[in-house]
Amino acid sequence: ELKVEQNPLFLSMQEGKNYTIYCNYSTTSDRLYWYRQDPGKSLESLFVLLSNGAVKQEGRLMASLDTKARLSTLHITAAVHDLSATYFCAARDDKIIFGKGTRLHILP
Amino acid sequence: DADVTQTPRNRITKTGKRIMLECSQTKGHDRMYWYRQDPGLGLRLIYYSFDVKDINKGEISDGYSVSRQAQAKFSLSLESAIPNQTALYFCATDSGNTIYFGEGSWLTVV
Repeated sequence: ELKVEQNPLFLSMQEGKNYTIYCNYSTTSDRLYWYRQDPGKSLESLFVLLSNGAVKQEGRLMASLDTKARLSTLHITAAVHDLSATYFCAARDDKIIFGKGTRLHILP
Repeated sequence: DADVTQTPRNRITKTGKRIMLECSQTKGHDRMYWYRQDPGLGLRLIYYSFDVKDINKGEISDGYSVSRQAQAKFSLSLESAIPNQTALYFCATDSGNTIYFGEGSWLTVV
């Protein structure tokens, strides 16, 4: 059965610092998603990763996928306050399963 | 128009009452999902559907039922609501490369 684990679940960091969120999944998945959620809002698509070694970047966020390790990472470069949000990863076999989310708080 | 529309957006209901959350999508996708979000628990899958005749239980289906009335419509019912079903509920549809979410339905069971 597909399980998705994220860590850390909560991260408080200073502006300008770099950090990485990790997403492990338990069984074969044909794609890996990253989403952002602001408080009281719906989820916003960031990235979808389809193959081993895939890397995608948008601004200060970069996501990568290692299907052999069943691991995806979301790397934040030189964090700014506007990136404060909850970040979710999700994997798909025949259904889409989400991790518990990483609540990111960036201090000015 | 929004890609995925959920109604109602907010509802307060009493314990034991039946309530239905409705979802419609304009994307033309076959796959639709219902998730529940609780603080610290992420999104948990309640039910998912590949088409009108293919409905599947998710991680936490007990206490819920669904109906896929058409490709575009997927409803979630709580037959007898209980307080621990108080949560934010999301409907979603999936193109393969993107998951489209509704705005969410806040449900409070008192």
